[in-house]
Amino acid sequence: RKEVEQDPGPFNVPEGATVAFNCTYSNSASQSFFWYRQDCRKEPKLLMSVYSSGNEDGRFTAQLNRASQYISLLIRDSKLSDSATYLCVVNEAGSNTGKLIFGQGTTLQVKP
Amino acid sequence: DAGVIQSPRHEVTEMGQEVTLRCKPISGHNSLFWYRQTMMRGLELLIYFNNNVPIDDSGMPEDRFSAKMPNASFSTLKIQPSEPRDSAVYFCASSQKVGQGNQPQHFGDGTRLSIL
Repeated sequence: RKEVEQDPGPFNVPEGATVAFNCTYSNSASQSFFWYRQDCRKEPKLLMSVYSSGNEDGRFTAQLNRASQYISLLIRDSKLSDSATYLCVVNEAGSNTGKLIFGQGTTLQVKP
Repeated sequence: DAGVIQSPRHEVTEMGQEVTLRCKPISGHNSLFWYRQTMMRGLELLIYFNNNVPIDDSGMPEDRFSAKMPNASFSTLKIQPSEPRDSAVYFCASSQKVGQGNQPQHFGDGTRLSIL
């Protein structure tokens, strides 16, 4: 089983739609969680950290469910510019070195 | 503020040649990571350093790959000899390790490597 699993998609949605991605992680001892965004032929960029209480940044909402070991990302009122690959990221449990485990990514295509 | 700086941005060379990729982490960051990304295998961690010391190089594919971090502001990833299957985008990332927490990593623009 992969340490971080995501549905690769692609998710094809119209502009203005709400779309949600889920991600599961295998190690219950993981403590830090992030969503990254990667555009085609670009580097991964931090989108947002994910906190236990859930957090929101504009149209983006991240949730963490520790009991079920999954993380979600909700995008409301999607824009064409949201088209990208979204990477779910979890710290390596049991290590104190800053190592992060990246999922394979979920591809989102927002259509006009 | 300057982000992670990688060079070169693109490298095309013939198989058998030595390739050296360079990275300057964000000033003040004490962790540095080298990744490789391909369509088939996604983003793979090759090696990482904490305070200039290599911590885990288990992701380095073969002895042809080596990495160094002689000081806090510079790291190299070397492939010698290079092979066509090494063609990929190589990313360097850095982060600030603080206490028990894990800070997000910040990536450079990457080096697109093509081995002919």
